[in-house]
Amino acid sequence: EVQLVETGGGSVRPGESLRLACLVSAVDFRDYWLHWVRQGPGKGLIWVAQINGDASSITYADSVRGRFTISRDNAKNTLFLQMSSLRAEDTGVYYCATDQGYRLHDWGQGTTVIVSS
Amino acid sequence: QSALTQPRSVSGSPGQSVTISCTGTNSDVGGSNYVSWYQQHPGKAPKVMIHDVSKRPSGVPDRFSGSKSGSSASLTISGLQAEDEADYYCCSYAGSNTWVFGGGTKLTVL
Repeated sequence: EVQLVETGGGSVRPGESLRLACLVSAVDFRDYWLHWVRQGPGKGLIWVAQINGDASSITYADSVRGRFTISRDNAKNTLFLQMSSLRAEDTGVYYCATDQGYRLHDWGQGTTVIVSS
Repeated sequence: QSALTQPRSVSGSPGQSVTISCTGTNSDVGGSNYVSWYQQHPGKAPKVMIHDVSKRPSGVPDRFSGSKSGSSASLTISGLQAEDEADYYCCSYAGSNTWVFGGGTKLTVL
């Protein structure tokens, strides 16, 4: 089973930036498509972004496009989410997940981002 | 990228069956064979229960089943057990490497 551990969450003011990381324990990390999914307080899951194995395919939800950047370091088995121009509505728990054939199979425990003045 | 529509809550007694619906459009559920369902207990990460509309990952009880008709998908849980009480989310591939989740349904086991 693949293990995922997210780090980098914290409390920031509107307009500031934050970088999340997700360490993935998988021998074949470079073969995995990976996602970020977020969940606002007491709210549902929202798909945020996706990246394929060699980062040649990257897509974003409309709500974060132009502000968030997903990337990966295959040498370090790590997925990143660079978040800029943060808004209050970006507050929530951010999960990383592996894609195993159009399904989000393995999930991390999440890291919490709070955007507040 | 509008969220798929799910009922806010459903309930059932132990041993009964419940069905959770998930309605989308031709751009997502209606045009995709990649509909999945996730179970989330409070404070925990989601867990995939159904993928590709009706397939169960290894380890998921066969009490959980999925189906799709047109732009609507459904998750049915038969023989309800106390541990099934959780939030459930549908998710559909929406083309061009984008995905969309449903708003979530809270299942209460009475």
